[in-house]
Amino acid sequence: KAGVTQTPRYLIKTRGQQVTLSCSPISGHRSVSWYQQTPGQGLQFLFEYFSETQRNKGNFPGRFSGRQFSNSRSEMNVSTLELGDSALYLCASARVGTEAFFGQGTRLTVV
Amino acid sequence: AQTVTQSQPEMSVQEAETVTLSCTYDTSENNYYLFWYKQPPSRQMILVIRQEAYKQQNATENRFSVNFQKAAKSFSLKISDSQLGDTAMYFCAFMKRMEYGNKLVFGAGTILRVKS
Repeated sequence: KAGVTQTPRYLIKTRGQQVTLSCSPISGHRSVSWYQQTPGQGLQFLFEYFSETQRNKGNFPGRFSGRQFSNSRSEMNVSTLELGDSALYLCASARVGTEAFFGQGTRLTVV
Repeated sequence: AQTVTQSQPEMSVQEAETVTLSCTYDTSENNYYLFWYKQPPSRQMILVIRQEAYKQQNATENRFSVNFQKAAKSFSLKISDSQLGDTAMYFCAFMKRMEYGNKLVFGAGTILRVKS
């Protein structure tokens, strides 16, 4: 059974640009969550999608957005990138009410 | 809001010995899950063990076991017979049980180094 797949693994972007990250969940998992991991702030919840609807949202500015498709795949978009957006972005999938399984992450560097 | 506290930023243990990582949490919820995740240098977050709050019995997975004290809001992880491959950052995480949703609240993490 394939795990959670995140693409791309690494990205370098310039301040002011936008970026889209992709996450394919484990087959049968309808919940997809996104987390930002930085040395200073640790692991912070961005948002979660279930059945194409955002169910939970963390305390991030509106520049961070996401969506989920009918096949449960999810994308996360960050517009007007800032240096502080440099982080490891982790995607996790789960069946509702059970443990989450994580992808390998996308390392975003903003220069 | 829920908070998770890991008071040990770093720990080290000799190979084959036992180590315990601490975690406390704060919540007014009665129905929730607790997890320990491991993040090795590869950065892949791996589930180590889970505990459902309504279960009094402590969870065990091979060399990993927890001491879950619901009243004290404590959830420690014990690793027995430590191996070099256990070297990683360990995160304690809380999840409220909801109809929808799998929002995890993480602690700051504990770096564990296993020495040969």
